[in-house]
Amino acid sequence: QLQLQESGPGLVKPSETLSLTCTVSGGSISSSSYYWGWIRQPPGKGLEWIGSIYYSGSTYYNPSLKSRVTISVDTSKNQFSLKLSSVTAADTAVYYCARQHRVAATREFDYWGQGTLVTVSS
Amino acid sequence: EIVMTQSPATLSVSPGERATLSCRASQSVSSNLAWYQQKPGQAPRLLIYGASTRATGIPARFSGSGSGTEFTLTISSLQSEDFAVYYCQQYNNWPLFGPGTKVDIK
Repeated sequence: QLQLQESGPGLVKPSETLSLTCTVSGGSISSSSYYWGWIRQPPGKGLEWIGSIYYSGSTYYNPSLKSRVTISVDTSKNQFSLKLSSVTAADTAVYYCARQHRVAATREFDYWGQGTLVTVSS
Repeated sequence: EIVMTQSPATLSVSPGERATLSCRASQSVSSNLAWYQQKPGQAPRLLIYGASTRATGIPARFSGSGSGTEFTLTISSLQSEDFAVYYCQQYNNWPLFGPGTKVDIK
């Protein structure tokens, strides 16, 4: 059974960089069938896709966040990571990592991590 | 840029009743639409993809329909575990989620 687990600091200061890692177990991140994505959800609000990465390292990002986002992959560790720079209180959210179908036209997310709350505060 | 809307924002339904949730896109997304269920404190769960295909393990009481700009998620007979928030997600150039519909107990 595929599992994803987010890890990283739960508190980040304004203007600093948020860094999270997603560890994938029960399957290989190097599958040609999937992207690996990050989605966030501010408290009490809806879902926002941040960006996704293929195991080769190719990425695509939400245009509204693109200038601040970097997603990378480490296939040797079966992990992928998110960096979001220059954070503000508006970046406070539960951050999810998820597996995203690459071939399917819907590009749906079928496996999700449990999510990790990141609070931006001084 | 595509805008997704969902209606109603809240749907109050009695157990055993049918629930019909709507998702609209501001321009055609063909059949590139998925539905998710999210319960408090949990990650979203994929229900439907390709507008009408149930994901693995999803009960038959969940069905999706539509194409282009108008989509519907139908829960034929609501069970207690179905009270949750439901999101649609389209894929055009990137994934975009709708604002959600909360289904609560009438």
